[in-house]
Amino acid sequence: EAQVTQNPRYLITVTGKKLTVTCSQNMNHEYMSWYRQDPGLGLRQIYYSMNVEVTDKGDVPEGYKVSRKEKRNFPLILESPSPNQTSLYFCASSLLGVGTDTQYFGPGTRLTVL
Amino acid sequence: GQQVMQIPQYQHVQEGEDFTTYCNSSTTLSNIQWYKQRPGGHPVFLIQLVKSGEVKKQKRLTFQFGEAKKNSSLHITATQTTDVGTYFCANMKTSYDKVIFGPGTSLSVIP
Repeated sequence: EAQVTQNPRYLITVTGKKLTVTCSQNMNHEYMSWYRQDPGLGLRQIYYSMNVEVTDKGDVPEGYKVSRKEKRNFPLILESPSPNQTSLYFCASSLLGVGTDTQYFGPGTRLTVL
Repeated sequence: GQQVMQIPQYQHVQEGEDFTTYCNSSTTLSNIQWYKQRPGGHPVFLIQLVKSGEVKKQKRLTFQFGEAKKNSSLHITATQTTDVGTYFCANMKTSYDKVIFGPGTSLSVIP
């Protein structure tokens, strides 16, 4: 089944404790992206990647890191999480660029930083 | 920077009534995409509009792209409870560019 998977689905952590949220897609998509969703603000893009080893900043990249070492995986790293990073995070992918193809979203990761 | 606005923020309708959400941009849009997110779910792609004045239909849903490519609308005819959710518009400058989402319109349908 074609899908985007994220792990973990729920995470409660403390300020400053490094964490990684994994994202994987099995559709051989080139474009992958991370978003955060906050009430009243909609979805805001954090980082995106057009292919292996190619990443770029979205609208809200501060406090986040990403890497794209393999086509299928696009982990989101929070080196030193803070409470303002408490949010719902979505990973997404599309075959080519987002403006060309359907963007498929993962189920989301709800992160709470205490 | 580029901003995408949506109105209304919330809409409550009686089942069977029509619903429209509008997406407006401060700059000319290269294209517009629409997504639906059910409560507790993830966004699901609905459609993409590219051409000025474009109109596309999906059953009871009608999508329009403005002539000046600065606005778009999604119209649902005779809403059903299955239409409940938040509808987002999204834009990107090029296929491989960053994506800007509008804040969404939350639709409630009263049976």
